[in-house]
Amino acid sequence: AQKITQTQPGMFVQEKEAVTLDCTYDTSDPSYGLFWYKQPSSGEMIFLIYQGSYDQQNATEGRYSLNFQKARKSANLVISASQLGDSAMYFCAMRNYNFNKFYFGSGTKLNVKP
Amino acid sequence: NAGVTQTPKFQVLKTGQSMTLQCAQDMNHNSMYWYRQDPGMGLRLIYYSASEGTTDKGEVPNGYNVSRLNKREFSLRLESAAPSQTSVYFCASSDSTGGTDTQYFGPGTRLTVL
Repeated sequence: AQKITQTQPGMFVQEKEAVTLDCTYDTSDPSYGLFWYKQPSSGEMIFLIYQGSYDQQNATEGRYSLNFQKARKSANLVISASQLGDSAMYFCAMRNYNFNKFYFGSGTKLNVKP
Repeated sequence: NAGVTQTPKFQVLKTGQSMTLQCAQDMNHNSMYWYRQDPGMGLRLIYYSASEGTTDKGEVPNGYNVSRLNKREFSLRLESAAPSQTSVYFCASSDSTGGTDTQYFGPGTRLTVL
């Protein structure tokens, strides 16, 4: 069963605009963490942001924020004021702490247009 | 700190050849992981090591073996390479003793099996 679903294979956004990348997840573990990673064309995996299942507030890291809706099992990444350097693949991932499992989604390719 | 390092960066093998991918981390993390990434896909876990001296299978372990040599090093061995093992291989490490258990990735090894 698909544990992490990213329904947007590709997206375009205009430079300086905000963009939301969707991620839904499926787990029965009450203790889990949600992660977003960026993979530029150079290939490395860069950690962006983390949200714990017990966190009351949405996580923020600079221009990145995570819109965490626990009841809907969604963990969307919001990038504000897009920059050309934001063009990359973005992966959503989940860690189940009790089940000791780690899952990645299939990714969303973001293109920022000048 | 170098973070997570992987060698080699690129490798071409013929079907049936063997090789070992090396991974080392200098962050004093206790957990280490091996993933493969096929074109257009997310990462799939091959093996992981929750702590020195332990290893466990992930989602796609067939055709691979691993060794957790010490706390710093975690190697992946292909005993008899097959074209289906053509992929980009990522090593990662995390501090799973508490906190978020965020994984940090190496730069990847691009492997082609002819």
